[in-house]
Amino acid sequence: DAMVIQNPRYQVTQFGKPVTLSCSQTLNHNVMYWYQQKSSQAPKLLFHYYDKDFNNEADTPDNFQSRRPNTSFCFLDIRSPGLGDAAMYLCATSAGQRNGYTFGSGTRLTVV
Amino acid sequence: KNEVEQSPQNLTAQEGEFITINCSYSVGISALHWLQQHPGGGIVSLFMLSSGKKKHGRLIATINIQEKHSSLHITASHPRDSAVYICAARYGNKLVFGAGTILRVKS
Repeated sequence: DAMVIQNPRYQVTQFGKPVTLSCSQTLNHNVMYWYQQKSSQAPKLLFHYYDKDFNNEADTPDNFQSRRPNTSFCFLDIRSPGLGDAAMYLCATSAGQRNGYTFGSGTRLTVV
Repeated sequence: KNEVEQSPQNLTAQEGEFITINCSYSVGISALHWLQQHPGGGIVSLFMLSSGKKKHGRLIATINIQEKHSSLHITASHPRDSAVYICAARYGNKLVFGAGTILRVKS
């Protein structure tokens, strides 16, 4: 089945140690999104790619970076995770404004 | 500012009850999405609406463009419907999320 896959499902990292979360899709959607969702809060958009065009939200910390080497894959890099970065990270894709979103199952990041 | 307001914040229902969750948004949306999230889980897209009404099984979503309002209805609710239901408005290529409604259906 076509889908959005996030790996790993759970990630534990040490304070300050770089970590990478991955997202892959088999839908061939041109738009990919990364959201951060903290406990009992709505997801917050960090950035999105429209094809290769990278769009960063104004309030996304510099500590967060992203790469999209091809249509299928998108990575979220957290350069120096702090305790406040512990959250669920959700990847989503879309084929454009007239189309729906498909979300991955998320990666729950714990910072110790 | 693009905002989405959702109500109620919490909802407890008895199995079999008819449930309504409401959402209001500001101007300029291209679509309105209803999403479902189970505890600790990813998000599932239920509906995308730009006008009228959609139905899928026991779920019905409506939107009134003039009033900038949408509703999600669940008929014959069941404990497995317990989840967080999120309304999200699409502005261009971005979704603005409501705060979510925590639904608990008791048997």
